[in-house]
Amino acid sequence: EPEVTQTPSHQVTQMGQEVILRCVPISNHLYFYWYRQILGQKVEFLVSFYNNEISEKSEIFDDQFSVERPDGSNFTLKIRSTKLEDSAMYFCASSEGGGHQETQYFGPGTRLLVL
Amino acid sequence: QKEVEQNSGPLSVPEGAIASLNCTYSDRGSQSFFWYRQYSGKSPELIMSIYSNGDKEDGRFTAQLNKASQYVSLLIRDSQPSDSATYLCAPRGGSYIPTFGRGTSLIVHP
Repeated sequence: EPEVTQTPSHQVTQMGQEVILRCVPISNHLYFYWYRQILGQKVEFLVSFYNNEISEKSEIFDDQFSVERPDGSNFTLKIRSTKLEDSAMYFCASSEGGGHQETQYFGPGTRLLVL
Repeated sequence: QKEVEQNSGPLSVPEGAIASLNCTYSDRGSQSFFWYRQYSGKSPELIMSIYSNGDKEDGRFTAQLNKASQYVSLLIRDSQPSDSATYLCAPRGGSYIPTFGRGTSLIVHP
């Protein structure tokens, strides 16, 4: 069964460093998403991406964040200058369509720890 | 501000019992409702979705939706220890982006 994959599974970085989190969405899916979950808290939407553009973003997704689809398969989230409060689990998701009934399939996540 | 309220639990039920998980939401524009299961340290996994008022059954799971009361629930029949997880309610409104609740922790004890 097709699945969303993410690399790395764990990332430790120093405050102020740049990190890139990578995702490979399901191959026929057109909509891509990033979410984060701080330990013990709820899953929070960051950004959605369609047709090589950001379609929606939350207030969390500020100028230190960016997303890119550098090739036909990868979808990346870059955090330019990490802060301690960026420590969280980051989930990538994808869906075939963008309608309200579309199921979003989540990847296994990248656990980011900022020291 | 879109709010999704769930009892954090833990909800403890014996094996074989029915577990009832509840969720209320503030956004009256919500059109679709998703229940996810999340094991500790893992990603959310879709259990069920429901779009119309009433009940929807899928195996041991039944989702119930009442849009007038802004209430959605998930019933798990014949609960198993493997059902022990956090259950996330996620309504989706006009923006098609789900808003997740904090989740209810379910413990099924043998």
